[in-house]
This record gives sequence, structure tokens and C-alpha cells, in this order.
Amino acid sequence: DQQVKQNSPSLSVQEGRISILNCDYTNSMFDYFLWYKKYPAEGPTFLISISSIKDKNEDGRFTVFLNKSAKHLSLHIVPSQPGDSAVYFCLAGSNYKLTFGKGTLLTVNP
Amino acid sequence: DTEVTQTPKHLVMGMTNKKSLKCEQHMGHRAMYWYKQKAKKPPELMFVYSYEKLSINESVPSRFSPECPNSSLLNLHLHALQPEDSALYLCASSQDPGSYEQYFGPGTRLTVT
Repeated sequence: DQQVKQNSPSLSVQEGRISILNCDYTNSMFDYFLWYKKYPAEGPTFLISISSIKDKNEDGRFTVFLNKSAKHLSLHIVPSQPGDSAVYFCLAGSNYKLTFGKGTLLTVNP
Repeated sequence: DTEVTQTPKHLVMGMTNKKSLKCEQHMGHRAMYWYKQKAKKPPELMFVYSYEKLSINESVPSRFSPECPNSSLLNLHLHALQPEDSALYLCASSQDPGSYEQYFGPGTRLTVT
């Protein structure tokens, strides 16, 4: 039973446009959410996070939105750049443990 | 230095072999983690060490034996593994056990023959 779901295995966008990656969760005990990105042959690297008491967090080109009532979060990347092409994982935290989604492969085309 | 290093990058072992995976960080982090990632699946937590003591074991079979010799080093000893144990093993660390922001190594790709 997957508690963190990323229903889009892949997403392709044009350079300069907005990328929107989505994530749904089922466990209402999750109190912290993170996005990581992963390049081939490297470990996942932290991108941005949000606490369950907030609904938005912004860091440069990256914004994470949290809708607790819908148990949904999204990552917006504006403007998208070719170097953003990677696998993006949605993670949720509870009791000091992280649960990963399956990841979404983002391809930004020049 | 914000790097977590893991050795070896690749490992092939037979079911009767004994081998070890190593993980190192020099960020002064006090929590370290082992994850297992099967193909096309997300990483799954195996073990958590807090202040060099094992704090979480996610019901991992005893053929996997973690060890934390000091605050910078984490080992995973492997013995009598099965082919289904073939996976990518990721190590991570965080500043303290309560921090969700974890730094990951590149992983060790393990193949059990």
C-alpha cells in the first residue's frame, strides 16, 4: 500500500515554461514534506521542504504548495531549465521516518 | 563538505560470501541511515543510527548487519544473501535524529548471484 503517490512517471516541458510535479499522500500523520531531485549515478539531493502547518514555501525558482484537506502537494519550477532534467521524488515524514514516492522523470527540452 | 560517500560503487557477491558496504560523512551529522531501493521502486528505510546507536530496525533479516564504529562511519555487513537482495543500497545522514533533511550518498549497486 503506497502512502506517497506520484502518479505521473514522466513529464516533459519546454525550457522557460512552468513545470508542475504532483504528489498525493494517504497518511494524515505525515507532518513534513520534502522534494528531492536525483541525477543518474548520484544520490537524491534535497530541493525544498514544507511543514504541515504551512501551505506554501518558496525558494528561488522552486515553490511547493501543500493542500492538507486534499492530501496533495505540488512542486512548481519557474522558469524550467534544461539542467532541471532529473527524477524528482516526493517524500513525507512522520515519527522521524521518511517515506518516498516512486518519482517523476522531468525532461526540460531546450 | 556536504558529501556522503559510499564504497564500493558496485558489488557482485555469491550467496555464501561475506561482504561489507561502507558509508562515510564528515558533516558532524549525528544520525545515519541505510535504505534499500529495488528497481523501479522508491527507497525503503532499513536502519537508523542515532548518536552511534541503532534506534530503528525496520524488521530487516539478520543476514544484514549494520554497524556504526564512530560518528562518521556506517557499515552494512552482508552474509548469506539471496538473489532477491540485489538492489541499490543508499546511505544517508542528517544533522540530528529529528531532522527530516537527509543527505544521501550515491549508493552501492549490489548483485547477488
